[in-house]
Order: sequence, then structure tokens, then C-alpha cells
Amino acid sequence: QLQLQESGPGLVKPSETLSLTCTVSGGSISSSSYYWGWIRQPPGKGLEWIGSIYYSGSTYYNPSLKSRVTISVDTSKNQFSLKLSSVTAADTAVYYCARHTLYSSSWTGGWFDPWGQGTLVTVSS
Amino acid sequence: SYELTQPPSVSVSPGQTARITCSGDALPKQYAYWYQQKPGQAPVLVIYKDSERPSGIPERFSGSSSGTTVTLTISGVQAEDEADYYCQSADSSGLVVFGGGTKLTVL
Repeated sequence: QLQLQESGPGLVKPSETLSLTCTVSGGSISSSSYYWGWIRQPPGKGLEWIGSIYYSGSTYYNPSLKSRVTISVDTSKNQFSLKLSSVTAADTAVYYCARHTLYSSSWTGGWFDPWGQGTLVTVSS
Repeated sequence: SYELTQPPSVSVSPGQTARITCSGDALPKQYAYWYQQKPGQAPVLVIYKDSERPSGIPERFSGSSSGTTVTLTISGVQAEDEADYYCQSADSSGLVVFGGGTKLTVL
């Protein structure tokens, strides 16, 4: 059974870079069938897609965050990572990683399943 | 930017049918997906590709599509179905978009 687990600091100072890692177990991140995504949820608010990555390193990002986001993959460790720079209090959220399945061979939409349990990151001095 | 519109809340009595809608201009050309999220938990996929149900999801959950609106239907609602529900799709470039979420209250 595929499982995903987020890890990283729970507290980040304003203007610094948020860094999280998602470890995939029970399956290979190098599967040709899937992308791997990051989604966040501010306290009491809705879900926001951050971006997704293929095992080859191909990435797609939310245009509203693209200038501050970098997603990378380490196939040797079966992990993918998120970096979000110049954070502010508005970046305080629960950050989820998830497997991203496309419904065709080309990039378009697709769904997220399963999800990690999520990790709360607070931006505060 | 592209938006998916959901009602903030829907209320239904146990045993009744709940319908949660999601509207977006690109929905005639892009599949929709639905997630259930209970407090303190990660979202769970309940419908994919408009109307497909993942294994392990009860048959009372179904999805449909008509024009620019997709609908999640929960038949014979149970107390355990009380949760937030999010639709998700893609814009014309294939970039992922989530709806604002609907809180389902079981009276």
C-alpha cells in the first residue's frame, strides 16, 4: 500500500525559505504513470495546489506561486521536495504531498490519491 | 485566473440525498474530481473522472456532469458523511484548480 509522509521544520521565519520533503513508501517514485504533487491548506481555508513533478524532473507550478516555488525529486531516496522562498504569514498552512495521476499521457489535470497526513508549517518570527 | 465555484454549505437530514455542485467554464473539457475531508484529516478521493468511484468508497457516492456544472451526489446520507467536500479540475492549460469547498452538515 502506497504511503506518503511529509517532513520538515514546523516553524519558519518571515523572508526565509520553507523546505519540506515527502518520502514515498510501498511503491516507486520512478513509476512512469504518476506525477507527485504538493498541496497546501491555510488554517480554516480551502485547498491550494502548489505544483507537481515527474520522476524525470519535469515540473508544473501554480502560476500564483511559481516565482517562489521549486519542487525537486531524488529517485535514489524515493523522495520529492518543496522549497518556497520569501515566506510570509500568508504561507502558514498545512502542507500535503500526494501522488498525482494524469488521465492521459500528456499533462492535463488529473487527480491526487493517496495523500500524506500533512504537516503544519507556521511562518512567524 | 480560473475558478471553480461551490456552495459554502449544504445541509441534509440522515437518509436523505445530498447534492453538492461545482461550476466552472472549463468543466465541459476537463474531468472533475471530488475529495472528502474530515476535521484534522487529509483529503480522501471519492470520485475521479467525473463519475468513477475508487475502490473502498461506498456506492452512495456518485458523480455526474452537465455542461459547466458537475455534481457530487450522496444518497442515503449518514452521519459519518459530515465533512468538507472539494471539487478539483484543471484550467485550459491543464493546471490544477480546487473549488472553495462545501461544508456538508448532517442535521
